[in-house]
Amino acid sequence: GEEVAQTPKHLVRGEGQKAKLYCAPIKGHSYVFWYQQVLKNEFKFLISFQNENVFDETGMPKERFSAKCLPNSPCSLEIQATKLEDSAVYFCASSQSPGGKMNTEAFFGQGTRLTVV
Amino acid sequence: GQQLNQSPQSMFIQEGEDVSMNCTSSSIFNTWLWYKQDPGEGPVLLIALYKAGELTSNGRLTAQFGITRKDSFLNISASIPSDVGIYFCAGDAVNSGYALNFGKGTSLLVTP
Repeated sequence: GEEVAQTPKHLVRGEGQKAKLYCAPIKGHSYVFWYQQVLKNEFKFLISFQNENVFDETGMPKERFSAKCLPNSPCSLEIQATKLEDSAVYFCASSQSPGGKMNTEAFFGQGTRLTVV
Repeated sequence: GQQLNQSPQSMFIQEGEDVSMNCTSSSIFNTWLWYKQDPGEGPVLLIALYKAGELTSNGRLTAQFGITRKDSFLNISASIPSDVGIYFCAGDAVNSGYALNFGKGTSLLVTP
């Protein structure tokens, strides 16, 4: 598609439950990024993919967070055993082909607001 | 990630005024991007900068990539009410693997 599509828009989970978020990048874009935006507007980088391969996972909390980008499927971010502190808006972004300046012109989806209660 | 210091934190101006905001870092950046975020929406890319010293315009918006590669500014001329929102600078530091580091945002309010 012509825009990054994220679902669901809102997600409410009880503490300890699993949360799964989805992202369809812009068609033709090779890079997918996940960011977490918390209440103070701060964006935290979580993980990036180059096609279906993990490119950079330095921001991922390894214990409960996992992500995948499989061929012919939306990318996903999964949080096992959610905690109150996981409440945030999770943004997916995509950017164009590797090799050159277009890698960092990231286009963002509308986000998934996760509320853990 | 690399810390970006964005200022001012907020601005409250009258329609028609010009606005300036900036970002600085102690690290060298490959690119600087400026985004605008409306409530409940994702950030929208306004301007992308790739070369030290580059000055780029997009309508009433003008942004520059600092010569030292450690800073950038965004100017908005003749502000209008729809300029209201939060503006973020973002950049990828050298050897960052394309992940963006974001400033904490400048909240802009414009009164008619």
